[in-house]
Amino acid sequence: EVQLVESGGGLIQPGGSLRLACAASGFAVSTHYMTWVRQAPGKGLEWVSLIHSGGSTDYTDSVKGRFTISRDKTNNTLYLQMNSLRVEDTAVYYCARDLRVFGVVNWGQGTLVTVSS
Amino acid sequence: DIQMTQSPTSLSASIGDRVTITCRASQTISSYLNWYQQKPGKAPKLLIYAASTLQSGVPSRFSGSGSGTHFTLTISSLQPEDFATYYCQQSYTALTFGQGTRLEIK
Repeated sequence: EVQLVESGGGLIQPGGSLRLACAASGFAVSTHYMTWVRQAPGKGLEWVSLIHSGGSTDYTDSVKGRFTISRDKTNNTLYLQMNSLRVEDTAVYYCARDLRVFGVVNWGQGTLVTVSS
Repeated sequence: DIQMTQSPTSLSASIGDRVTITCRASQTISSYLNWYQQKPGKAPKLLIYAASTLQSGVPSRFSGSGSGTHFTLTISSLQPEDFATYYCQQSYTALTFGQGTRLEIK
């Protein structure tokens, strides 16, 4: 059974850093497209970052230069390093397995990041 | 970047109604279009992928159509459990979500 479990969220001051982790089971993170999607309170879904199966990465414009997506084959874990956090980064962050034309089938439960002074 | 525009942003309907939600892409995305349902406090659930293919386990009252830049999601006969927010998403280049359509009970 495929399972994704996020961790690492919390309250952080503007300008601070957090690293989110997404532990996967039932498949290999290193051989799939993996993505982070966020949802600000009361708002819609916003794509944040994508790591291709080959290792290349994409980011939405608002996080370029601040966020870094990566993966660890040994731990079968996806990460999102978030630096220079802003109030507008406050959201629930979901990790997900992206099967491209077949859609984003598997989602984690989400982890809440609150950026506030 | 590809922009996705959904309409309407909210919709009131009754049990048994047929409803249609539209999604337009800012450039052609072939059939790289997926639809999701999200209920409060829950992760999104994939309903339809590749514009018109029903995800396993999703009721047949859900259907999707379109290609290129214009897509639709139709629910043929609304059930109580269908009241939720619906999102389209393109997977042609990276990902982009539409802004969502909130479906409420009339």
